Amino acid sequence: GQNIDQPTEMTATEGAIVQINCTYQTSGFNGLFWYQQHAGEAPTFLSYNVLDGLEEKGRFSSFLSRSKGYSYLLLKELQMKDSASYLCAVRDPGKSTFGDGTTLTVKP
Amino acid sequence: SQTIHQWPATLVQPVGSPLSLECTVEGTSNPNLYWYRQAAGRGLQLLFYSVGIGQISSEVPQNLSASRPQDRQFILSSKKLLLSDSGFYLCARGEGGQGTDTQYFGPGTRLTVL
Repeated sequence: GQNIDQPTEMTATEGAIVQINCTYQTSGFNGLFWYQQHAGEAPTFLSYNVLDGLEEKGRFSSFLSRSKGYSYLLLKELQMKDSASYLCAVRDPGKSTFGDGTTLTVKP
Repeated sequence: SQTIHQWPATLVQPVGSPLSLECTVEGTSNPNLYWYRQAAGRGLQLLFYSVGIGQISSEVPQNLSASRPQDRQFILSSKKLLLSDSGFYLCARGEGGQGTDTQYFGPGTRLTVL
């Protein structure tokens, strides 16, 4: 099975940088996903990592270390609209298992 | 483009009543389809997935069932709802290789069981 840990809540200031961590224990690994979910809405796909290293996509970057069972999502130049829940999900050969999400609040 | 439709958007049902939630997908053929449930403040729990018509895999034994009568239609049902069935139900399609597909979600159905 899978066990995924993320911080429950984080707060950051508009224009700043924030890093959201995700650690996992897995019996099989086919990749790690990050999703963004605004309150009351469905999750939207942000990134996918299957190899170690950093994947950059605009203001968002995602990092993976398979040996450490660790990933982070880095958000730069924070905007108010980035206030949302960020879900880490680990894929094994059968399915994806989601963490409970990190609620990020961006303050002016 | 590929679109996922879910209805209804919101639903309030009494305990013991039946349930039918529908998901349809446009713009793709033979997609992997998934049903998830999200309790308030929690992550997504996989309920069922399907790799083709009539093929359903159940992840969590409970009073829910799923069916896939057509290639792009996925239905979640219950004969008798429980209070614990309340939640946000999300249908997703998979894009990519088997075992590594990225999941894209529909708008969801918010179910309240009273």
